[in-house]
Amino acid sequence: GAGVSQSPSNKVTEKGKDVELRCDPISGHTALYWYRQSLGQGLEFLIYFQGNSAPDKSGLPSDRFSAERTGGSVSTLTIQRTQQEDSAVYLCASSLNSGRPPDTQYFGPGTRLTVL
Amino acid sequence: GEDVEQSLFLSVREGDSSVINCTYTDSSSTYLYWYKQEPGAGLQLLTYIFSNMDMKQDQRLTVLLNKKDKHLSLRIADTQTGDSAIYFCAEWTYGNNRLAFGKGNQVVVIP
Repeated sequence: GAGVSQSPSNKVTEKGKDVELRCDPISGHTALYWYRQSLGQGLEFLIYFQGNSAPDKSGLPSDRFSAERTGGSVSTLTIQRTQQEDSAVYLCASSLNSGRPPDTQYFGPGTRLTVL
Repeated sequence: GEDVEQSLFLSVREGDSSVINCTYTDSSSTYLYWYKQEPGAGLQLLTYIFSNMDMKQDQRLTVLLNKKDKHLSLRIADTQTGDSAIYFCAEWTYGNNRLAFGKGNQVVVIP
C-alpha cells in the first residue's frame, strides 16, 4: 500500500522567506510526527500529532516553526523567516497508535530544505 | 532521560559480518529499534526488540540487547553492497510521544 509521502522533495529558498512542507501519512494512521535531520546529526523531534488531541510541540526550536494537521490526515510544517541554520532534511512519520505496542513509525522520504 | 549514543563509521568487506553498536540511557525503554537510511531516502524500519528479550534474529539480522549495560547491537551477516547505508538505533518508552534516535552509524560495504 501507499507509504508516507512528502512534498516537495527538495526546496531551495532565500533567507527570510517562509516555506511550507507537506506530509501525507499512511491512511488510517492516527499519529503523525515531524523530525529534522541536520548534516551528520541524528533525528531531532519537532512535533507530534495524535488524533484530535493537542499536539506535542515541545521539540519546535523556535516560534518561527509551526505545524498543522487538517482533518486528522495531511500535515503542513511551516517555517517563517527562514534562516541558514534551518537547512536540513525534514522527515515526517506516521504510526497506527492502536494503543498496543510497539507503535512502529513509518517514515516518508523527507524534504531537503536549503536556505541560501 | 533519553540519550542514545552510536559510533559513526564502519567499513566492511562484502560477505563479511558487520556489527553496529548503540548505547542508551533510559532504563525504562521498552522497545529498541533499528532503522536503515539509504542515500537520499527516508528511514526504513529494519527490526525492533522488546526490552525483556536478549536476542532477536531476522534473516541476516541479529539484534542483541544487554540490559545491564544498556547496550544494543545489530549484526548483519554476509554483508552485501545494498547494506551500505546509515543505521539508526532508537528507543521508545511508554508515555513518550516520540522515538529518541542516535546520531547514526554509516556503514560502507567494500566490494
